[in-house]
Amino acid sequence: QVTLKESGPGMLQPSKTLSLTCSFSGFSLSTSGMVVSWIRQPSGKSLEWLAAIDWDGDKYYNPSLKSRLTVSKDTSNTQVFLKITSVDIADTATYYCARERELGGLDYWGQGVMVTVSS
Amino acid sequence: AIVLNQSPSSIIASQGEKVTITCRASSSISSNYLHWYQQKPGAFPKLVIYSTSYRASGVPSRFSGSGSGTSYSFTISRVEAEDVATYYCQQGSSNPYTFGAGTKLELK
Repeated sequence: QVTLKESGPGMLQPSKTLSLTCSFSGFSLSTSGMVVSWIRQPSGKSLEWLAAIDWDGDKYYNPSLKSRLTVSKDTSNTQVFLKITSVDIADTATYYCARERELGGLDYWGQGVMVTVSS
Repeated sequence: AIVLNQSPSSIIASQGEKVTITCRASSSISSNYLHWYQQKPGAFPKLVIYSTSYRASGVPSRFSGSGSGTSYSFTISRVEAEDVATYYCQQGSSNPYTFGAGTKLELK
């Protein structure tokens, strides 16, 4: 059974660094073709893809945010991390991690973690 | 970035009615990389259709998709009450992945 779960600080101040963790089970990120992506959704708005890391350790970033994003994974391939630097109010959103298989779409999602940026 | 224009932005349908959502891309996309998601209020998105026309595991046969190039569509053949949700198209053909603005389906 594939599950993913996001964790994060809940609230942080502008200009700080947001650190998020995606803990998953039921699949191995070391399996060829596997990818974990980060997506966010401001309340009442659509979805925005942020970054991804694949089974080979290759990293992909949304160019509009690339300078502020860092995606990584742990050596056991059971967690993926996302850091966003210099947050501001516009980064307030629910953040999701999701698994992607080649040609399969984002087939499993975490429940999401709400992050509020406020002074 | 490839922009996905979804229409309509909202639909009010009766139970048993057929509904169709279109998704038009600003550039051609391989049909292998166009997907559709359902998001119910307060929940995470759920994959419904992948690679244009393949139903995800457990998805009822009333859901279908078609298209190619820059024009794609998503159809619910007979709407049921449990289908009330917002539907999004998404392209995974080029970086950055992008999503449509969503279509909110409500029941009459």
